[in-house]
Amino acid sequence: SAVISQKPSRDICQRGTSLTIQCQVDSQVTMMFWYRQQPGQSLTLIATANQGSEATYESGFVIDKFPISRPNLTFSTLTVSNMSPEDSSIYLCSVERDRVQETQYFGPGTRLLVL
Amino acid sequence: KNEVEQSPQNLTAQEGEFITINCSYSVGISALHWLQQHPGGGIVSLFMLSSGKKKHGRLIATINIQEKHSSLHITASHPRDSAVYICAPTYSNYKLTFGKGTLLTVNP
Repeated sequence: SAVISQKPSRDICQRGTSLTIQCQVDSQVTMMFWYRQQPGQSLTLIATANQGSEATYESGFVIDKFPISRPNLTFSTLTVSNMSPEDSSIYLCSVERDRVQETQYFGPGTRLLVL
Repeated sequence: KNEVEQSPQNLTAQEGEFITINCSYSVGISALHWLQQHPGGGIVSLFMLSSGKKKHGRLIATINIQEKHSSLHITASHPRDSAVYICAPTYSNYKLTFGKGTLLTVNP
């Protein structure tokens, strides 16, 4: 298994500001994923972050709005830039630990409210 | 694009009842995850299966690859099982697609 922590666990922010969410894993992993879950909706993949390369963004998500860093094999950050109320969501990171088993482990999530 | 359909969307049960949640998807996959999300938002992966059946305690997950269908069963349900259960098929590129979830409420 993998133990994943996220900071902050929740935040209330003003529109126009930016928030950086941290994801820390207790062991080295190759692939990390960032998801968003808007109220009442299913999870949506924002991007895949591999260490040593640029993040790969899904359709509808752009680097200027959601810059991602992946400085090493145990850590990643997601920044939500120039926030608007529509960015109010739960943001989750997950990791893929076992390429054969394709098992993913999820962080506890960051609950963001933008006023 | 893989469409994922879960049923029912909402399910209320009495403690002790046998629960079944169904998931259908539209294209071939390499594996399927069943996830549990509690009200605080955290997600726990319950199962990852690519064929047959898996059992963990009171939870049983089955998948039929040919029929593109999976089920999650909970035996002897308990109020602590109350959560949203999410079906998430995955392609070979490790990306998950998510169903909208089934909100399960188990009353004492």
